[in-house]
Amino acid sequence: GAGVSQSPSNKVTEKGKDVELRCDPISGHTALYWYRQRLGQGLEFLIYFQGNSAPDKSGLPSDRFSAERTGESVSTLTIQRTQQEDSAVYLCASSSYPGGAEEQFFGPGTRLTVL
Amino acid sequence: QKEVEQDPGPLSVPEGAIVSLNCTYSNSAFQYFMWYRQYSRKGPELLMYTYSSGNKEDGRFTAQVDKSSKYISLFIRDSQPSDSATYLCAMNIQGAQKLVFGQGTRLTINP
Repeated sequence: GAGVSQSPSNKVTEKGKDVELRCDPISGHTALYWYRQRLGQGLEFLIYFQGNSAPDKSGLPSDRFSAERTGESVSTLTIQRTQQEDSAVYLCASSSYPGGAEEQFFGPGTRLTVL
Repeated sequence: QKEVEQDPGPLSVPEGAIVSLNCTYSNSAFQYFMWYRQYSRKGPELLMYTYSSGNKEDGRFTAQVDKSSKYISLFIRDSQPSDSATYLCAMNIQGAQKLVFGQGTRLTINP
């Protein structure tokens, strides 16, 4: 596809359950980013991948959050033992490197609701 | 205090008006400044980015950066109803990959 894709588009889960969110970046983009957007708020950085390594995971809010990436393609963000405060839209972005962080292209996001 | 401050609005203007959107920031190390447009239930779309101080124009959009005042602006000329969206400013430090976003300003252009 031409753009960043994410799945599922919507996820409703019960408190305490684990969830996995998927991101397919633009083909050829080596850098991949995860952000979280709470209702009415700007985006909060979570983690950055260059290839399959994560040099910056400073934004992960707790050890319940983890992410991995296979090569220079798909990434999954996993939230364990979900809490109601995890409810947000989770956005993935990719960019070509060394084109850099200034030109990040975003997917449509996964809207997570924790009941 | 947040690193990047942006008035959330909402801002409502008539079609054809000039729109001014603004952000202030506290970290003088920021070097790249971006504006994103986000339609409802969609991901943000990069409009333009600027390095350091100065102006950049792209069609009806003009971005301005004043590093001495730690203040950036986006101007939209001849605004159209299709410009109705949330506008997010973002910035980062050269060499860093993490973008720091403002809260976003919700803009409505009335026909």
